[in-house]
Amino acid sequence: KNQVEQSPQSLIILEGKNCTLQCNYTVSPFSNLRWYKQDTGRGPVSLTIMTFSENTKSNGRYTATLDADTKQSSLHITASQLSDSASYICVVSATGNTPLVFGKGTRLSVIA
Amino acid sequence: TAGITQAPTSQILAAGRSMTLRCTQDMRHNAMYWYRQDLGLGLRLIHYSNTAGTTGKGEVPDGYSVSRANTDDFPLTLASAVPSQTSVYFCASKQYAGAMTGELFFGEGSRLTVL
Repeated sequence: KNQVEQSPQSLIILEGKNCTLQCNYTVSPFSNLRWYKQDTGRGPVSLTIMTFSENTKSNGRYTATLDADTKQSSLHITASQLSDSASYICVVSATGNTPLVFGKGTRLSVIA
Repeated sequence: TAGITQAPTSQILAAGRSMTLRCTQDMRHNAMYWYRQDLGLGLRLIHYSNTAGTTGKGEVPDGYSVSRANTDDFPLTLASAVPSQTSVYFCASKQYAGAMTGELFFGEGSRLTVL
């Protein structure tokens, strides 16, 4: 069964600190992996999308990594800001016209 | 730019009543999707449309119907709402259904409570 597991479920960090969120998946055959940020009460917004051949991609202070062999991805946030407080959702796509598989998200709280 | 507009933002509905959630996009995207998001679960696909005039069932289609009369609009209808349909509903769109790396844009959601 195609699944996406994210950890931790929630995380609290101090402003200015770094953090790393994890995503493990069993989706096959793999096409791409996306990270979304979802602010409370808002829709998800895309941060990065990575294909099989990409192992790292950055978007400002966000850096995503992908290891297609171990089926793991991470999202690293550098120098966190209060505005980084949100849920971060990992989404994996299989090849073909199949539904995206969403993780349950990691709830990040950045405190002053 | 507006992107995807959903309406209503929130609604309280009595069980057994019908309800249509509206979704309009101004990006001329071919593919549109309806998801529901529940606490403790990832987003789940209800219905989708790869292009105007076509629709398909997602993972959790029961109790919902959709139509795609034109490119811009993709309404979701609950014919007879039940409490288990209490959720936050997100409409999304992508330029082409077959574009594996095409970005998926989401609306801001419609929060529905069925009592």
